[in-house]
Amino acid sequence: EAEVAQSPRYKITEKSQAVAFWCDPISGHATLYWYRQILGQGPELLVQFQDESVVDDSQLPKDRFSAERLKGVDSTLKIQPAELGDSAMYLCASSLGTGTGELFFGEGSRLTVL
Amino acid sequence: KNEVEQSPQNLTAQEGEFITINCSYSVGISALHWLQQHPGGGIVSLFMLSSGKKKHGRLIATINIQEKHSSLHITASHPRDSAVYICAVNIGGSRLTFGEGTQLTVNP
Repeated sequence: EAEVAQSPRYKITEKSQAVAFWCDPISGHATLYWYRQILGQGPELLVQFQDESVVDDSQLPKDRFSAERLKGVDSTLKIQPAELGDSAMYLCASSLGTGTGELFFGEGSRLTVL
Repeated sequence: KNEVEQSPQNLTAQEGEFITINCSYSVGISALHWLQQHPGGGIVSLFMLSSGKKKHGRLIATINIQEKHSSLHITASHPRDSAVYICAVNIGGSRLTFGEGTQLTVNP
């Protein structure tokens, strides 16, 4: 069964270090989302891609976060430098078409910043 | 005020009980999603609704567009149903707004 792949599953880093997360959506899914989820809260959208274009990055802290989806397939989310408050689960999701269909989530990448 | 409100926040049930989780939203939507999140973080899409009712196994989801309300029902609950259930809505397109989630614990 097709699934959204994410790596790494777990990442522990010290503050001020750089961190990168990777996501490979289901083949053919044009829309890709990166969410951040703090323990006990619902996911918060960081960035949404339609193919290789950014559709919404209004909640992305652009001073330290960056995201790209070269060639409109897999995507990388980077944090540099990491801060203590960045400790969270980073979830990738994808959907067909323009993103109003069913969502498929990856297992997430749990980041701990020490 | 959050645009998506879920209730209850926490729910404990005995195995076999019928469970209802509610979701209310304050604006017009194009679709509503019910998601399940197990410990460890992975999220699974249970339903996507724009009207009426959907059923999958022991899970039933309903939506009332006029009242801006949706319910997720679990019949004959089982300990493996223990998870966080999240309601999310598409407001004005593809962006999703999430509720805070309902932590369900089903005891044997």
